Amino acid sequence: KAGVTQTPRYLIKTRGQQVTLSCSPISGHRSVSWYQQTPGQGLQFLFEYFSETQRNKGNFPGRFSGRQFSNSRSEMNVSTLELGDSALYLCASSLGAAQNIQYFGAGTRLSVL
Amino acid sequence: QKEVEQDPGPLSVPEGAIVSLNCTYSNSAFQYFMWYRQYSRKGPELLMYTYSSGNKEDGRFTAQVDKSSKYISLFIRDSQPSDSATYLCAIPEYGNKLVFGAGTILRVKS
Repeated sequence: KAGVTQTPRYLIKTRGQQVTLSCSPISGHRSVSWYQQTPGQGLQFLFEYFSETQRNKGNFPGRFSGRQFSNSRSEMNVSTLELGDSALYLCASSLGAAQNIQYFGAGTRLSVL
Repeated sequence: QKEVEQDPGPLSVPEGAIVSLNCTYSNSAFQYFMWYRQYSRKGPELLMYTYSSGNKEDGRFTAQVDKSSKYISLFIRDSQPSDSATYLCAIPEYGNKLVFGAGTILRVKS
């Protein structure tokens, strides 16, 4: 069974631009969560989507948004990029019930110049 | 105070040593506890998942939970160079939102 796939793996953008990251969950998984990982703040929860609806949201500004499609694939968008948005963005999928095991992708490394 | 505290290390041990990794948490309502391992340039992978207080063993790994002290531990026996990675404790806060510790960098020297 294929794991969680994130594309692209690496991305370089400049301040003010916007970016879209993609996540394909494990087949059969309906929940997709997004996390930001930085050396200073560690792994922080961005949001979770389940059946195309945002179910949980972390403490990030509105520049961070996401969506989920009917096939459970998810995209995350960051608008008006700031230098501090440079991070590893991780996607995790699970079956959907609370406390289900979450399986992580390898992440997208975003560098903002 | 962070919800989950974890010493970032790095922790350096010789091959074959017993490794002890620890986290403390502040919310007594937390019920489930996880340990993830993250290799460089990879996403976290689940190592252990525990619910109640006590010990859970899986091969060379033992997870321990002490709810009265709000303290969780991961022990690695007979550590190997391949165990060199960052170890993250994680707790489901609500639903599928995981709260992570800072992660401990472990280096096992051969």
